[in-house]
Amino acid sequence: DGGITQSPKYLFRKEGQNVTLSCEQNLNHDAMYWYRQDPGQGLRLIYYSQIVNDFQKGDIAEGYSVSREKKESFPLTVTSAQKNPTAFYLCASSISVFTDTQYFGPGTRLTVL
Amino acid sequence: AQSVAQPEDQVNVAEGNPLTVKCTYSVSGNPYLFWYVQYPNRGLQFLLKYITGDNLVKGSYGFEAEFNKSQTSFHLKKPSALVSDSALYFCAVRDNYGGSQGNLIFGKGTKLSVKP
Repeated sequence: DGGITQSPKYLFRKEGQNVTLSCEQNLNHDAMYWYRQDPGQGLRLIYYSQIVNDFQKGDIAEGYSVSREKKESFPLTVTSAQKNPTAFYLCASSISVFTDTQYFGPGTRLTVL
Repeated sequence: AQSVAQPEDQVNVAEGNPLTVKCTYSVSGNPYLFWYVQYPNRGLQFLLKYITGDNLVKGSYGFEAEFNKSQTSFHLKKPSALVSDSALYFCAVRDNYGGSQGNLIFGKGTKLSVKP
């Protein structure tokens, strides 16, 4: 899992609540990513950020928001607008968005009660 | 559209036997291909990648992969499987021309089960 930390490891949320997942990296990477993993569907890109104060929507951004105020941090907020938020969320980083190898954090499992 | 396919949901192998996990791709331009492994409730770990050069790429934990341009494949292989190799394996291709340029497109994963 390298120098990428995600917290919490498990998160429970009531319907209608917003929750924020933390992702921190000490690899000095410019690019960071959020993926959602569901059984049998592989990984789907939610948001990515090439540099500080910049981020772009991925394939399934609806119901999610991000910020990138610091190079080492890329928090993901799962809003109440996300229809089916129960999933495993993975954060990753790479030297730049055009440099290929992404390194992943250990993940956060979100369950909506 | 660029895509990657892993045709097998699960592969079962006896310990000590060779293993192959299959991956095929469809991509515009030169393919940048990757293999990752995921153990239960963990993040993905990078195994190896192909960008250019020798078609046989060697990676971590004794794994290797063979790039075959004519068959658009990038199969993961290991000469002798270990029980500890049991995990979920993902093939990925870099999106060279899509909206998320430079990002990875992942296959759905193949569960490898190695029995003693």
